Amino acid sequence: NAGVTQTPKFQVLKTGQSMTLQCAQDMNHNSMYWYRQDPGMGLRLIYYSASEGTTDKGEVPNGYNVSRLNKREFSLRLESAAPSQTSVYFCASSRQVTNYGYTFGSGTRLTVV
Amino acid sequence: GQQLNQSPQSMFIQEGEDVSMNCTSSSIFNTWLWYKQEPGEGPVLLIALYKAGELTSNGRLTAQFGITRKDSFLNISASIPSDVGIYFCAGQRNTGKLIFGQGTTLQVKP
Repeated sequence: NAGVTQTPKFQVLKTGQSMTLQCAQDMNHNSMYWYRQDPGMGLRLIYYSASEGTTDKGEVPNGYNVSRLNKREFSLRLESAAPSQTSVYFCASSRQVTNYGYTFGSGTRLTVV
Repeated sequence: GQQLNQSPQSMFIQEGEDVSMNCTSSSIFNTWLWYKQEPGEGPVLLIALYKAGELTSNGRLTAQFGITRKDSFLNISASIPSDVGIYFCAGQRNTGKLIFGQGTTLQVKP
């Protein structure tokens, strides 16, 4: 099925470990996004990529880095995980930034102990 | 920080009842959107609103874009068990990026 694929679905890290969350879309969308979801906080934008070759900070970028590897793939890296980064992470894509049609992946549940 | 205030935070209702939730902001938005998230999944778009005063329906769901462009509401009529989930409002300005509310968790008792 066409859509946004995120891997892994679940991950447990120790404080200080690093990892990369992968995201790929097959809808030929230009724009891609990383959000985190915490109870009572809704979805908060971490980073986004308006088009291939560009990335910009969102609302909560500290502690994260991103790479827009190509048009299809947008990865999120935690260099030194902290317990405050325990969250559910969602990747999304849209035809362009000003287009409302965001398609979300099914999420990665990350626990940092 | 969070710029959209969504209420209520949670609702526990009886099957067949109507539901109403709303979203307010201190800033103007050009587009209001309503999403539903089911357990273990990402949010899915339910309704998009583009003009102040616009009233749009999608089956049992009805949403309105407030006249001031600073608020929106979503109504669900005759709720059923599969309506369970978290409902998010989202606003969009000219910059395009979506800003989400905190979510309303809906539980429906059969």
